[in-house]
Amino acid sequence: GQQVMQIPQYQHVQEGEDFTTYCNSSTTLSNIQWYKQRPGGHPVFLIQLVKSGEVKKQKRLTFQFGEAKKNSSLHITATQTTDVGTYFCAGATTGANNLFFGTGTRLTVIP
Amino acid sequence: EAGVAQSPRYKIIEKRQSVAFWCNPISGHATLYWYQQILGQGPKLLIQFQNNGVVDDSQLPKDRFSAERLKGVDSTLKIQPAKLEDSAVYLCASSYRPGTGGLETQYFGPGTRLLVL
Repeated sequence: GQQVMQIPQYQHVQEGEDFTTYCNSSTTLSNIQWYKQRPGGHPVFLIQLVKSGEVKKQKRLTFQFGEAKKNSSLHITATQTTDVGTYFCAGATTGANNLFFGTGTRLTVIP
Repeated sequence: EAGVAQSPRYKIIEKRQSVAFWCNPISGHATLYWYQQILGQGPKLLIQFQNNGVVDDSQLPKDRFSAERLKGVDSTLKIQPAKLEDSAVYLCASSYRPGTGGLETQYFGPGTRLLVL
């Protein structure tokens, strides 16, 4: 079955440092979405990537979709304590409406 | 705009008991999803409805789990009987397909945290 893996599983950074999480799918994706889940909260949609090689930015967050549409990354520049949470990628395959969520990367930002 | 509503927020039961969760999606959202999120893992899709029809229930343990969305709006998820490994957060999400041809974005509810003792 389809699998979506993320690395690292955990990341501790000092406030102001950069952070990157990587997402890899066992199958080619039609699109990939990123979600953020705060501790005790629910996943909140961040962004969706559709095109091969696509790059999107949201303030300090940069999202990339790989050329082969099997991997993606999220990079946060100059982390802040408000960035704390677990970041999930979720991929969809062509013709399917459901998402396969990755294993998540839990980010801790040390003030 | 009101978000996805779920109740109860917390539930503690003993194994072999039954439990039901309720979800009210965002108004106008035709698609409704139930996910199971075990501590430390990503959400796993249990069942997906399009209006009142089931689109995907391939990962729903049908011997003990059931779900319905009779009028195409609210939905209930039931576990009967519960096992220890069912302890998790049960998330409901809803989405709609924009008329412009854009892709669907899922909006999650706050979840129901279930503990089976």
